[in-house]
Amino acid sequence: ELKVEQNPLFLSMQEGKNYTIYCNYSTTSDRLYWYRQDPGKSLESLFVLLSNGAVKQEGRLMASLDTKARLSTLHITAAVHDLSATYFCAFSGTYKYIFGTGTRLKVLA
Amino acid sequence: DGGITQSPKYLFRKEGQNVTLSCEQNLNHDAMYWYRQDPGQGLRLIYYSQIVNDFQKGDIAEGYSVSREKKESFPLTVTSAQKNPTAFYLCASRRGGIDTGELFFGEGSRLTVL
Repeated sequence: ELKVEQNPLFLSMQEGKNYTIYCNYSTTSDRLYWYRQDPGKSLESLFVLLSNGAVKQEGRLMASLDTKARLSTLHITAAVHDLSATYFCAFSGTYKYIFGTGTRLKVLA
Repeated sequence: DGGITQSPKYLFRKEGQNVTLSCEQNLNHDAMYWYRQDPGQGLRLIYYSQIVNDFQKGDIAEGYSVSREKKESFPLTVTSAQKNPTAFYLCASRRGGIDTGELFFGEGSRLTVL
């Protein structure tokens, strides 16, 4: 069964703190995607990770991929309120894209 | 500007009615997808299409139908057979071939059954 598990599902953190969201997936895939969703809005692409060991950074967010462990991480550095959103990881397998249940992040001032 | 346009943004339906959600893209993408999102949940795949005149069922296709007569368009019909259609519907597209595989999403259509 194609499956993606994210944890934690909910994350409340203080501004200025660091934290990591984990994404485990169930089958071999070289492609892993991270998306952001604001309440009531669509999904916005954050990162595309295409190979084992890939690391990408944008501002306070950094994503990495370990295909052997079937694990991707999204690391948040010195969180700010604007990062409050739901974050989804997804992997592609045979034309289908399987999404995790999302991590709802709330950054408190 | 290139993008994906979904309409309508909000739709109310009476029980027993069929409704069609529109999805149009001008990105020249080959593949198109329909996802359903329930409150506080992830995305579940309804249908997808890799090329014109071809489409495949996703994980929750029952009660839905699609067509792909043009590359730019992938409408989704929510039929009366769908027992719990109230949800947020997202259309996405992908370039196809050898590419990053990144999905681009429309703004979504929110369907409420009265």
